[in-house]
Amino acid sequence: EDKVVQSPLSLVVHEGDTVTLNCSYEVTNFRSLLWYKQEKKAPTFLFMLTSSGIEKKSGRLSSILDKKELFSILNITATQTGDSAVYLCAVVVGSARQLTFGSGTQLTVLP
Amino acid sequence: GAVVSQHPSWVICKSGTSVKIECRSLDFQATTMFWYRQFPKQSLMLMATSNEGSKATYEQGVEKDKFLINHASLTLSTLTVTSAHPEDSSFYICSARDWGPGSYEQYFGPGTRLTVT
Repeated sequence: EDKVVQSPLSLVVHEGDTVTLNCSYEVTNFRSLLWYKQEKKAPTFLFMLTSSGIEKKSGRLSSILDKKELFSILNITATQTGDSAVYLCAVVVGSARQLTFGSGTQLTVLP
Repeated sequence: GAVVSQHPSWVICKSGTSVKIECRSLDFQATTMFWYRQFPKQSLMLMATSNEGSKATYEQGVEKDKFLINHASLTLSTLTVTSAHPEDSSFYICSARDWGPGSYEQYFGPGTRLTVT
């Protein structure tokens, strides 16, 4: 059975802190790994990672994939209150390219 | 970017009635759409994969007779919750995958909040 595990489950930090969110996976027929940010409604796309060791960066957010050790991290530097959300990691598997989601990390950034 | 809409955004229905949720890809053709359910403080759980013109593929534990999925066109998939019960109350989200074998990204709809009383 495909499995995606995120840690920590929740995290509370203060504005300006740097956070690292973890995602490990055990799946068959791995295609890629996706990171999403979910606030009140549906998830919004952040990154797609397919190759090991290549960092993807968007502003204060960055992510990298390690296909040998089967994990990915999402870094957020200089956090802001607007970064408060649930961050979801999902792995694309199979020919149907289904997404298997982790449980998410609830990030709360305090002013 | 690609836009996926869902209708309605929220619905309240009585136990025993059926509810239909629509998922539309507005500016692209989606050969495949996915239906997810999310309970409070939990992650998204894939319910079924819907392919245009063919029967949906349901995940283990999801009752196909209860959650009817129809993907009649490249831009529309519907999920009908039949004989809804309070335990079906949840946030239902669809996503659509763009055409093309190399396309891995899924675009999510805004979700539908279903409350069954």
